[in-house]
Amino acid sequence: EPEVTQTPSHQVTQMGQEVILRCVPISNHLYFYWYRQILGQKVEFLVSFYNNEISEKSEIFDDQFSVERPDGSNFTLKIRSTKLEDSAMYFCASTAGYYEQYFGPGTRLTVT
Amino acid sequence: KQEVTQIPAALSVPEGENLVLNCSFTDSAIYNLQWFRQDPGKGLTSLLLIQSSQREQTSGRLNASLDKSSGRSTLYIAASQPGDSATYLCAVSLRGNQGGKLIFGQGTELSVKP
Repeated sequence: EPEVTQTPSHQVTQMGQEVILRCVPISNHLYFYWYRQILGQKVEFLVSFYNNEISEKSEIFDDQFSVERPDGSNFTLKIRSTKLEDSAMYFCASTAGYYEQYFGPGTRLTVT
Repeated sequence: KQEVTQIPAALSVPEGENLVLNCSFTDSAIYNLQWFRQDPGKGLTSLLLIQSSQREQTSGRLNASLDKSSGRSTLYIAASQPGDSATYLCAVSLRGNQGGKLIFGQGTELSVKP
């Protein structure tokens, strides 16, 4: 069964460093998302991406964040200068549009 | 602004019991509602999707219902097993927004005791 994959599973970085989180969505899906979950809190929407552009973003998704679909299969989230409060589990998701969103296993980001 | 609430926050039941998890949302103009399972430190596994025009969906021992007018959904788990222990999340997507974001509740942590 097709699934969303994410790499790395765990990333440790120092405050101020840039990180890139990678995702491979399900191949025939059209909409792509990033969500995050800070430990003990709700899953929060960050950004959605359709037709090679951002379709919606949350207040969290400021100028420090960017997304890219560089090659038609990968979907990346970049954080330019990480802060301690960026520590969270980051989930990538994809959908064909009318149906359920499928989530990847997540990348645990730890900022020290 | 759409808010999603799940009650109870935690539930502990003996094996074999039938149980109901509740989800409520403040804005009835939803496109669909999705139930997920999350194991500790893991990703989200989609369990059931209910479109706004549907009243319920079933998958194995799981049955989800939707009452859009009252802003409620329930997830019924029959004959619970220890392997059902996990956090269950509900999430809504807003009307007219194909491919729109999901808004999540905080989850119900279920523990099924052998």
